[in-house]
Parts: sequence; C-alpha cells; structure tokens
Amino acid sequence: GNSVTQMEGPVTLSEEAFLTINCTYTATGYPSLFWYVQYPGEGLQLLLKATKADDKGSNKGFEATYRKETTSFHLEKGSVQVSDSAVYFCALGNNDMPLGVDMRFGAGTRLTVKP
Amino acid sequence: DSGVTQTPKHLITATGQRVTLRCSPRSGDLSVYWYQQSLDQGLQFLIQYYNGEERAKGNILERFSAQQFPDLHSELNLSSLELGDSALYFCASSVWWGGSTDTQYFGPGTRLTVL
Repeated sequence: GNSVTQMEGPVTLSEEAFLTINCTYTATGYPSLFWYVQYPGEGLQLLLKATKADDKGSNKGFEATYRKETTSFHLEKGSVQVSDSAVYFCALGNNDMPLGVDMRFGAGTRLTVKP
Repeated sequence: DSGVTQTPKHLITATGQRVTLRCSPRSGDLSVYWYQQSLDQGLQFLIQYYNGEERAKGNILERFSAQQFPDLHSELNLSSLELGDSALYFCASSVWWGGSTDTQYFGPGTRLTVL
C-alpha cells in the first residue's frame, strides 16, 4: 500500500542553520507529494507541493524536489528562523481508491529553532 | 486562516456518550475530509464527502459516521465513545473530488477528550 516515512524528530537547530527533513514514500502509480506545516494549536497548512517527477515545490524559502528514482521528497531550507519552529508533515496523495484519493501522512517532524 | 471552520474547539465528554463535530468548508469547496490525529496513531484519514456523497473511506470505525449537507457543511458523529477516541479531529476541504493534485485546506481542529 501507499506509505510515507519521514525522519524522526525532534530536530533542534540554531537560527540561520540549514534544514533538511527527509521523506521517502512507497506508492503505485503517479502520486502527488506535499509538505504541510502545523504551528502550535493550529491545523495543518500546505507549505508546498509537487505533482510529478522532477517538479520542485517551493514556498517561504522552503524547497522540495520530487525524485522518482529515489522515491524521495526531502524538505530543505537554507537559513531557518525561530518562526519556522513547528511540526512538518510529509504527505502523499494517490489516485488509488476507486472513487477518490488515498492521502497518507508521515508521522511528523518537530522542528525547534533557537535564537 | 484557511477559511475552514470547525466547532466546537474543545469537547469533554464521558465514555459511552455520543458527540457531533461540525465543519464548514472554504467557500466554493465541494469536498470535505475528516482526519483523526492522536499521539500513537499520527494523522489518520477517516472519510471524504464530495458534494453531499461519500467519496472515500479510510480508517473509520463503525461507531463513527459522517454526512455532508446540501449547504456543504459536514458533521462527524462519534458514538459509544471510548477513552482511546480522545484525539484532535481535523476537517479539511478541497475544491474538487479529491484527485491526487487537489490541495486540502485544514481547519483548526476539535480537541475531544473522553473521560
């Protein structure tokens, strides 16, 4: 079945450090890949997405490239800020189900950025 | 603010009881999704409705049911509640039927505590 595996946290970085959160997936067909972010006490917000192989999603300085050959969608940011502290979820959407999309989320990675 | 609203924000009830969670999607969105987020299970897809009809089913217990009304708001009914049902319940909405490229927008969630 479809699944997403992302690196376990928590991750603690200093401000302006480089961030990588690894995400790999297992899926049949041609899934879309997403990164969502959840700030404390809030719902998930879409951070970026990529809908086909070699696509790069980017937003607010975050980037992720859909790599079909390595089944990966790693999240990166060159210089993190304290305001980036949140939980990050990698997700996969696949047209697997007879009538709808099978959406799977990773376990989430908690990022804390210290000044 | 995603435009998705959920009520109530918090709900405390006892085992064996029944509760109803309500969700209003973003204006113009036809699909509503329900998710359960707990510490041990992570974020789990429960069920999707599209334009009033059930579209896809995930890990939803038989004690749980949902519906989407003509005005497109949705309700998730949880009955015979158990301690293990304590979790955050999120509603999300998307424009279309839930194709793999369809972005889901999440509400702030309802925190359910079963005592």
